[in-house]
Amino acid sequence: NAGVMQNPRHLVRRRGQEARLRCSPMKGHSHVYWYRQLPEEGLKFMVYLQKENIIDESGMPKERFSAEFPKEGPSILRIQQVVRGDSAAYFCASSPRTGAYEQYFGPGTRLTVT
Amino acid sequence: DAKTTQPNSMESNEEEPVHLPCNHSTISGTDYIHWYRQLPSQGPEYVIHGLTSNVNNRMASLAIAEDRKSSTLILHRATLRDAAVYYCILSLDNAGNMLTFGGGTRLMVKP
Repeated sequence: NAGVMQNPRHLVRRRGQEARLRCSPMKGHSHVYWYRQLPEEGLKFMVYLQKENIIDESGMPKERFSAEFPKEGPSILRIQQVVRGDSAAYFCASSPRTGAYEQYFGPGTRLTVT
Repeated sequence: DAKTTQPNSMESNEEEPVHLPCNHSTISGTDYIHWYRQLPSQGPEYVIHGLTSNVNNRMASLAIAEDRKSSTLILHRATLRDAAVYYCILSLDNAGNMLTFGGGTRLMVKP
């Protein structure tokens, strides 16, 4: 059973470009979470999605950031017009149901904005 | 939001037990206590969770104080592969869906 997959593992973007981060949850998991980890800091919750629905986006910056989890395909975290402060590791986690206390994390995408 | 306090770092010798403390004096009655660890350049890994009673699994044990204001993660025999940052987390909601990671404890294991 493959774990949570994230791609790309490393992404370099120039200021003003768009970044698209993909996350494929574990097989059978319909709940996806995105977290961001700035250098030398802990992870910060961004958004929680179920298939085709955003359940909680209280941790998402109000502008430039969006997330989706379509019926088919991976979850996408999209950052428009990236700035240097967006440089971070972005982790995706999945769980099989709400109320499941164990989240399975992917290896992360390390975004560098130049 | 209930917060946790952990020492920044701890050292242990290989094959000895390790006790990682966590204080959560503002914990509410419905908050679960979760422990995750993060190895260098990897995503976090679930370790254990509990509510009131002590818990054991193949990775570790979780000892929860009677007043629930503190807990201790116990690694029974530390190995070099246990060197990681250990996070003690209280769930923001009852389902533990949104995890808030603090600074964690960096565990160093000496051979």
